[in-house]
Amino acid sequence: QLQLQESGPGLVKPSETLSLTCTVSGGSIDTNTNFWGWVRQPPGKGLEWIGSIYYTGTASYNPSLRSRVTITVDTSDNHFSLRLSSVTAADTAIYFCARDSYSLARGPFDNWGQGTLVTVSS
Amino acid sequence: QSVLTQPPSVSAAPGQRVTISCSGSSSNIENNYVSWYQHLPGTAPKLLIYENNKRPSGIPDRFSGSKSGTSATLGITGLQTGDEADYYCGTWDSSLSAVVFGGGTKLTVL
Repeated sequence: QLQLQESGPGLVKPSETLSLTCTVSGGSIDTNTNFWGWVRQPPGKGLEWIGSIYYTGTASYNPSLRSRVTITVDTSDNHFSLRLSSVTAADTAIYFCARDSYSLARGPFDNWGQGTLVTVSS
Repeated sequence: QSVLTQPPSVSAAPGQRVTISCSGSSSNIENNYVSWYQHLPGTAPKLLIYENNKRPSGIPDRFSGSKSGTSATLGITGLQTGDEADYYCGTWDSSLSAVVFGGGTKLTVL
């Protein structure tokens, strides 16, 4: 059974870089049938797609966040990671990692982690 | 402001049927597949519907999806208290080149 688990600091200071890792178990990230993505949910708001990555390292980003986002993949350790730079309070959110059902980076997401709350505050 | 528009809340009694709408445009819903997710706060979101009307393995047929033009609808029949959750629609937006979601609808089973 595929499982995804987010990990990383729960508190980040304004202007610093948010870094999270998604560890995949029960399946290999090294597959040509799926992208792997990040989605966030600010408090009281809806879902926002951040970006997705293929096992080769090819990534697709939300244009609204592209200038600040980097997603990387580590197939040897079966995880992928998110870096979001120059964070502000508006980046406070629950961050989810998820598996994209297809190899197009367009969704849908068929397996999700439980999410991790990241608060941006000094 | 979400790209896709959903009602903030819907409610119905146990055993009844409810529908949740998702409104978009020609750059998203009309020309791309729609998916639906169920989310209980504190848990992992669950994919309910993909490719407009298909159910992943394990999703009961009480859940159904449909699409017409720039709108999509999630239907839930035989409501149970365990169906109380937030529901989100999602699709690809060809103009934005991004996956987009609705703002979510909170379902209350009275």
